Amino acid sequence: NAGVTQTPKFQVLKTGQSMTLQCAQDMNHEYMSWYRQDPGMGLRLIHYSVGAGITDQGEVPNGYNVSRSTTEDFPLRLLSAAPSQTSVYFCASTQGLGEAFFGQGTRLTVV
Amino acid sequence: EDQVTQSPEALRLQEGESSSLNCSYTVSGLRGLFWYRQDPGKGPEFLFTLYSAGEEKEKERLKATLTKKESFLHITAPKPEDSATYLCAVHLPYNNNDMRFGAGTRLTVKP
Repeated sequence: NAGVTQTPKFQVLKTGQSMTLQCAQDMNHEYMSWYRQDPGMGLRLIHYSVGAGITDQGEVPNGYNVSRSTTEDFPLRLLSAAPSQTSVYFCASTQGLGEAFFGQGTRLTVV
Repeated sequence: EDQVTQSPEALRLQEGESSSLNCSYTVSGLRGLFWYRQDPGKGPEFLFTLYSAGEEKEKERLKATLTKKESFLHITAPKPEDSATYLCAVHLPYNNNDMRFGAGTRLTVKP
């Protein structure tokens, strides 16, 4: 059972480039979310989805887009990368009000 | 504003030296408080969920407790392998499954 799988693990982008962070889960969870983790600030919610076709903004959504065409996949798109988006990104999936299962993270550097 | 505050930011213990980590929250209508462990370069891993004041959960050397305003993670006779960052999170009562995280406590246990 793979759980939550994120790719890539590491990425370096130039300012202005775009890219997609991939996230897939095999637990049939309805709720999926993206967080960013910065030193001293904890995990902050970027976007979330309560099911296929439904997405909404979290605490820090600017500069990011998401879509949810299937229950399994929840990609995060950076439209035009900025140095302020240098961070570690985590995807998570949750069933109901239970615990969140996290992927291994993507370490993104924007130069 | 909904806040989750963890203290201390960092804690260094000798092997066998028991201590406690604190998580205080200002969310009203708590729908669940979660503790996670995060190792360097990895995603958070679920430890405990607490739902009501007075509730306690135990796992090996860890015990989590909950009051109306805070939670404690007690570590009894820690070992070096307990070294990690411990994160606390609460389900926000008004926004589906949105979770608000504290910044974490970085625990180092010296042999």
